Amino acid sequence: DTGVSQDPRHKITKRGQNVTFRCDPISEHNRLYWYRQTLGQGPEFLTYFQNEAQLEKSRLLSDRFSAERPKGSFSTLEIQRTEQGDSAMYLCASSLDRGAEAFFGQGTRLTVV
Amino acid sequence: GENVEQHPSTLSVQEGDSAVIKCTYSDSASNYFPWYKQELGKRPQLIIDIRSNVGEKKDQRIAVTLNKTAKHFSLHITETQPEDSAVYFCAASSEDSNYQLIWGAGTKLIIKP
Repeated sequence: DTGVSQDPRHKITKRGQNVTFRCDPISEHNRLYWYRQTLGQGPEFLTYFQNEAQLEKSRLLSDRFSAERPKGSFSTLEIQRTEQGDSAMYLCASSLDRGAEAFFGQGTRLTVV
Repeated sequence: GENVEQHPSTLSVQEGDSAVIKCTYSDSASNYFPWYKQELGKRPQLIIDIRSNVGEKKDQRIAVTLNKTAKHFSLHITETQPEDSAVYFCAASSEDSNYQLIWGAGTKLIIKP
């Protein structure tokens, strides 16, 4: 499968623990997005990268969230001191460039207990 | 900033009938309007998109129309089939917002046999 891949697919963690998710975009894609989606809602924008530069971060994003894309290829999203409200599906998407179709990964479902 | 509203939130149609989902946007600078389909537990997938220099676009049973003056766009599905059952999301983006997608809240489409 040469699409966007995310790892892990599922993560159960105890409140207060840190978690890290990985996203591997389609190889030639410059843009990489992170979204959060809860049941019955549309994807909520978290942040995006143009190559290795993080160009925008949602104002709703807590300081506990951080994302990196060190070499402009894969990206990681870390959540520190997880809370129950962080439970959601975390989706990664990539696109060739701005204004181009965004392809989504299958997501990482996080459950904080 | 941009705001996208989507209606209805749930749509139930008889198999074989047509379904129409409508979205309105607020930013007149928006010029790219994709529609995504998300089946339960799966990733969002692009089904059709339209740019502001086009009024209508068709792909087999799916069509999208855009009215720039009224700032609304619609998804039309004809001859609906059971596999069309899913949640559909509209989105809008513009160069001003660096092509970041602003999403509607989604429409759950139910096809009744």
